[in-house]
Amino acid sequence: KQEVTQIPAALSVPEGENLVLNCSFTDSAIYNLQWFRQDPGKGLTSLLLIQSSQREQTSGRLNASLDKSSGRSTLYIAASQPGDSATYLCASETGANNLFFGTGTRLTVIP
Amino acid sequence: NAGVMQNPRHLVRRRGQEARLRCSPMKGHSHVYWYRQLPEEGLKFMVYLQKENIIDESGMPKERFSAEFPKEGPSILRIQQVVRGDSAAYFCASSLRRTSGSTDTQYFGPGTRLTVL
Repeated sequence: KQEVTQIPAALSVPEGENLVLNCSFTDSAIYNLQWFRQDPGKGLTSLLLIQSSQREQTSGRLNASLDKSSGRSTLYIAASQPGDSATYLCASETGANNLFFGTGTRLTVIP
Repeated sequence: NAGVMQNPRHLVRRRGQEARLRCSPMKGHSHVYWYRQLPEEGLKFMVYLQKENIIDESGMPKERFSAEFPKEGPSILRIQQVVRGDSAAYFCASSLRRTSGSTDTQYFGPGTRLTVL
């Protein structure tokens, strides 16, 4: 069964700093790896989806990488802003028809 | 183009009552997924449905929980005889299609927060 781990559990950075969030998964036979953002009391917003054949995806200040062989993905956020404060979740999809989520990294960007 | 809609957003039930959670997928989406997020835990898959069919319910508790996605109307997650341990946020997601070896992005609703007193 797929297990997804995210470290750190919480992270505080000053505004403007670049940062990296880490995600690891135990089963490398994935279809894709997704990064989501969850704001308190809200639903999930999909940020980036990397198919298994891809190595990275970029959207604005966000860049996600995928290394299937080592079972790792990273989310890089450039020039962080207070509006980036949220919980970031990674999720992998295998052939089991569903997403396996990590427990998230709670990010606080301090103005 | 409205996103995934869930209602109610907040639901309070006493132990032993029934809870019904509704999910309307995005327009044109015929695949629906339900997830549960317990306090301080990650989201856990419960069930995957297509119109009138349950495809995968491997994450659903064996008793008291059921789900449906009728030909017309929203998908319903039903919890009978709720207990305090059912208190959680329940999220629904929908996707456009699935093809062998790859999937579409799942779009999530805002969730229903169930509190059992």
